[in-house]
Amino acid sequence: QVQLVESGGGVVQPGGSLRLSCATSGFTFSSFGMHWVRQTPGKGLEWVAFIRYDGSTEHYTNSVEGRFTISRDNSKNTLYVQMNSLRHEDTAVYYCAREGPPGSIAAAFDHLGRGALVTVSS
Amino acid sequence: EVVLTQSPATLSLSPGERATLSCRASQSISSHLAWYQQKPGQAPRLLIYDASNRATGIPDRFSGSGSRADFTLTISSLEPEDFAVYYCQQRSIWPLTFGGGTKVEIK
Repeated sequence: QVQLVESGGGVVQPGGSLRLSCATSGFTFSSFGMHWVRQTPGKGLEWVAFIRYDGSTEHYTNSVEGRFTISRDNSKNTLYVQMNSLRHEDTAVYYCAREGPPGSIAAAFDHLGRGALVTVSS
Repeated sequence: EVVLTQSPATLSLSPGERATLSCRASQSISSHLAWYQQKPGQAPRLLIYDASNRATGIPDRFSGSGSRADFTLTISSLEPEDFAVYYCQQRSIWPLTFGGGTKVEIK
């Protein structure tokens, strides 16, 4: 079955950097667009970034543009997000999400991982 | 940016009752809307995509409708496991956006 497992979360000081990974299995990773979605503790959901199945296209939410970089390694079935210049407001649970289901007109997030907590604090 | 406004913020209902949740977009998004359910401590789960298509394994008591800027998620008869927070999300215009959520709580 489809599995997405995030890792790399932790506590980082403001201005610091962190890289999250998302190891995937159970599907052909190289055929799917992938996203990062985050959720501030006790608050709602926010889409963060997208990367096309072949890595050729990326999109970011405005608040992370220029600070976060999404990437993927299709040979390792793994998604990444490099987060630089972290701010207090980046504190959240970060989910990786597969775009789907296949055949949909406007793909949604058909599978999400359990999330990785990132805390930005001095 | 497309703003999605969900209403009501909280819906207090009893098991067996019908739940009607609304999601309104600040501009037309065609049928490019999804609905998710989230329970405490869990990741969101996809319920509906393309406004009206149920995701794999989703019971038929969940249905979605609407297009352009007005969308509805209906739960025909609430089961105990349906009490949760529900989010809508648009996939029409970058950046992708979520609504603020509707909490369906037990009355």
